Amino acid sequence: SQTIHQWPATLVQPVGSPLSLECTVEGTSNPNLYWYRQAAGRGLQLLFYSVGIGQISSEVPQNLSASRPQDRQFILSSKKLLLSDSGFYLCAWSTGRRGSPLHFGNGTRLTVT
Amino acid sequence: AQTVTQSQPEMSVQEAETVTLSCTYDTSESDYYLFWYKQPPSRQMILVIRQEAYKQQNATENRFSVNFQKAAKSFSLKISDSQLGDAAMYFCAYRNSQGGSEKLVFGKGTKLTVNP
Repeated sequence: SQTIHQWPATLVQPVGSPLSLECTVEGTSNPNLYWYRQAAGRGLQLLFYSVGIGQISSEVPQNLSASRPQDRQFILSSKKLLLSDSGFYLCAWSTGRRGSPLHFGNGTRLTVT
Repeated sequence: AQTVTQSQPEMSVQEAETVTLSCTYDTSESDYYLFWYKQPPSRQMILVIRQEAYKQQNATENRFSVNFQKAAKSFSLKISDSQLGDAAMYFCAYRNSQGGSEKLVFGKGTKLTVNP
């Protein structure tokens, strides 16, 4: 069966520091991969998605970036964090089939101080 | 662009009763998919139910069922025999049918409280 791993679970970082969140999927090949952010009390905002290695689509211009160095690995990065980057970050995967649902990791709670 | 609206920020229900969560969406597409996700306090997003727009039959999953009204662009979730474990945020989501890479568009969610 397919599983998705996301780490770390929680992270406290000072403003201006770098960020690296990692997500890996097991049990499937060539998944579509997604990074969402959920601000407190709000819905989910899509940040990036990827349909293959090295293929990244950005939904929201900001100081975050994403990379997909391997088929089942998706990384969210920042060179310098802002206070507004605080939130709950969720990685997700889906198959390429029509109408397939997204399956989410457990999320990372990021606090920028 | 597609949008999803959940007009009820919070709802409450007595244990063992039935509750309906509302969702409307806006799209010009005729073929698409709709989902309900549950997010308990643990924050993990859990798929509850999925509906294909070209199917008129409403999807059901045990105590969860939907009322899909395509012409009205409405997709409500009914939870029967509510249990304490149903307490969570519930998100309605929309996905195009084109290809498979398109994003899920989420509503802002409804917080459901289940009273014992």
